[in-house]
Amino acid sequence: HSVLTQPPSVSAAPGQKVTISCSGSSSNIGDNSVSWYQQLPGTAPKLLIYDNNKRPSGIPDRFSGSKSGTSATLDITGLQTGDEADYYCGTWDSSLSVGGVFGGGTKLTVL
Amino acid sequence: EVQLVETGGGSIQPGGSLRLSCAASGFTVSDNYMIWVRQAPGKGLEWVSIIYAGGPTYYADSVKGRFIISRDNSKNTLYLQMNNLRAEDTAVYYCVLSYLTSPPQLAYWGQGTLVTVSS
Repeated sequence: HSVLTQPPSVSAAPGQKVTISCSGSSSNIGDNSVSWYQQLPGTAPKLLIYDNNKRPSGIPDRFSGSKSGTSATLDITGLQTGDEADYYCGTWDSSLSVGGVFGGGTKLTVL
Repeated sequence: EVQLVETGGGSIQPGGSLRLSCAASGFTVSDNYMIWVRQAPGKGLEWVSIIYAGGPTYYADSVKGRFIISRDNSKNTLYLQMNNLRAEDTAVYYCVLSYLTSPPQLAYWGQGTLVTVSS
């Protein structure tokens, strides 16, 4: 099982808002920034959010992130069919030899 | 423009070795944090290894002692030498460039190369 816990799936209708949660502990989210990645079907992951709430150039402001304590959330507003993808949270965990860790991923379905 | 192109994947028997390459352009590999991430078929993402700009390297427990991350500065290329491969190493391997942040955050991803370990 993953160190970071995400819901396996979420769904919502086009135009609606969806929230994806990522739960961790004091050794990971509680002490480090969180990033979020979008993986469209058959493609490589893409950075969506870094430093908890910053968007790389080109990422629309429909995507936003936040962190509180040992949990983080990704909000997607104005859902589009093209947002159907797997979403992963990621951070650092001081108890791991390699350091980096991902959540198990959340499949977003736009109904 | 940052580009990362992985090569070297393929089918290999258990116990065999493969070397993955990641040709980089648009930036200097040796000045950055470079990571290998893998994804088993139908599964989630897993950090495999990281090499820092200063040279230190770290590995996931699942590959420690079997995989070696390295770089060739003259070729601006990252490598992953994979030895004593196991069936559970079957995955798409991605080469990733991180922002120079603490912690590293995975900014640019290659297209991935598939490694299949099977008898």
